[in-house]
Amino acid sequence: AQKITQTQPGMFVQEKEAVTLDCTYDTSDPSYGLFWYKQPSSGEMIFLIYQGSYDQQNATEGRYSLNFQKARKSANLVISASQLGDSAMYFCAMSHNSGGSNYKLTFGKGTLLTVNP
Amino acid sequence: DAGVIQSPRHEVTEMGQEVTLRCKPISGHNSLFWYRQTMMRGLELLIYFNNNVPIDDSGMPEDRFSAKMPNASFSTLKIQPSEPRDSAVYFCASSLRGTSGNTIYFGEGSWLTVV
Repeated sequence: AQKITQTQPGMFVQEKEAVTLDCTYDTSDPSYGLFWYKQPSSGEMIFLIYQGSYDQQNATEGRYSLNFQKARKSANLVISASQLGDSAMYFCAMSHNSGGSNYKLTFGKGTLLTVNP
Repeated sequence: DAGVIQSPRHEVTEMGQEVTLRCKPISGHNSLFWYRQTMMRGLELLIYFNNNVPIDDSGMPEDRFSAKMPNASFSTLKIQPSEPRDSAVYFCASSLRGTSGNTIYFGEGSWLTVV
């Protein structure tokens, strides 16, 4: 069975600073995907970034980067130059993968990030 | 491009009433998921369709819940009869399975309150 662990229930960061949100996972599948989603107070789930288990390079999307350490089974999200609008709940998720295609997500419990002015 | 569209955004209903949640996936996507989010259980998968066919419904709580996907552009999640413990946010998500590294996109959610 797959499991996602986010050990930080809450994090605080000063505006313009970088922050790392932790995520560790456990799976016996050789092929899987790792996702990060942002959920602001309005409730929608916004896709941020994706890393495939066979990807050699860490994924980046603008101010978001995913620090993927396969041997440690970690997939931490790094947000650079934090903005007030980054304040939200952040979820790490892992997909079941078949034929290289993602099809089912297991979510962590989330980290509530607060950006202070 | 339009994202995953869900309706209604908010619904308050009385216990015992039927609730129908609707979802339009992203055009061209062939996989559709219904998730439920509660404070106690977090985000959990209810059912997964591929090419309009239910593949995995092991997360559907009980017979009061049913989901259909009559065509590639529409799905419903029905609760009949509804109970207060069904109060949650219900998300629909879609993806293009068959491509490597396919992203799974979520709708804005339907906030259900059963009183």
